[in-house]
Amino acid sequence: AQKITQTQPGMFVQEKEAVTLDCTYDTSDPSYGLFWYKQPSSGEMIFLIYQGSYDQQNATEGRYSLNFQKARKSANLVISASQLGDSAMYFCAMREVNYGGATNKLIFGTGTLLAVQP
Amino acid sequence: DAGITQSPRYKITETGRQVTLMCHQTWSHSYMFWYRQDLGHGLRLIYYSAAADITDKGEVPDGYVVSRSKTENFPLTLESATRSQTSVYFCATGGTAYQPQHFGDGTRLSIL
Repeated sequence: AQKITQTQPGMFVQEKEAVTLDCTYDTSDPSYGLFWYKQPSSGEMIFLIYQGSYDQQNATEGRYSLNFQKARKSANLVISASQLGDSAMYFCAMREVNYGGATNKLIFGTGTLLAVQP
Repeated sequence: DAGITQSPRYKITETGRQVTLMCHQTWSHSYMFWYRQDLGHGLRLIYYSAAADITDKGEVPDGYVVSRSKTENFPLTLESATRSQTSVYFCATGGTAYQPQHFGDGTRLSIL
């Protein structure tokens, strides 16, 4: 069965420092996608970054980068130069692609609550 | 253009009542999803739909019913609400397998 594990329930980081949020996954499919979402206290789910299993390079989006280590089955989110507005819950998710009939379902981890301190 | 709209945003009801949560999208995405979010569980998939008139169960479908007669609408019905269904419900849409899902703002449902 497919599974996403986020082992850090909560983290603190000082403003302007970098922080890494851990995510490991388990799947037997060779083709899959990994996503990170941000959920601020207002509740909405905001897409941050995507990594495909066949992508050769780590994904980057502005201050967000994804440290993709396929052999270790990890997809850690790195936030550089943390800002107060980065304080939120962060979810790692995985989508499986079945060529016989894609479901596009997302499996989520339990999330990491990040608090950025001034 | 809101893209994806959920209604109501907040709902309080009693056990045994029927409740319908609405989800409307303006993107014409093929896929639509319903998730529930509970502390300690992250988001869990309730039902999803690949296209109009095609729906399938997710991880936690018991007690819920969905329909999708039109591409843009995907209502979720709790036929006889229970306290365990108190949660935040998110609707999401997706175009293709390689595009991110986009989420509505959520419905906070409390069942007394």
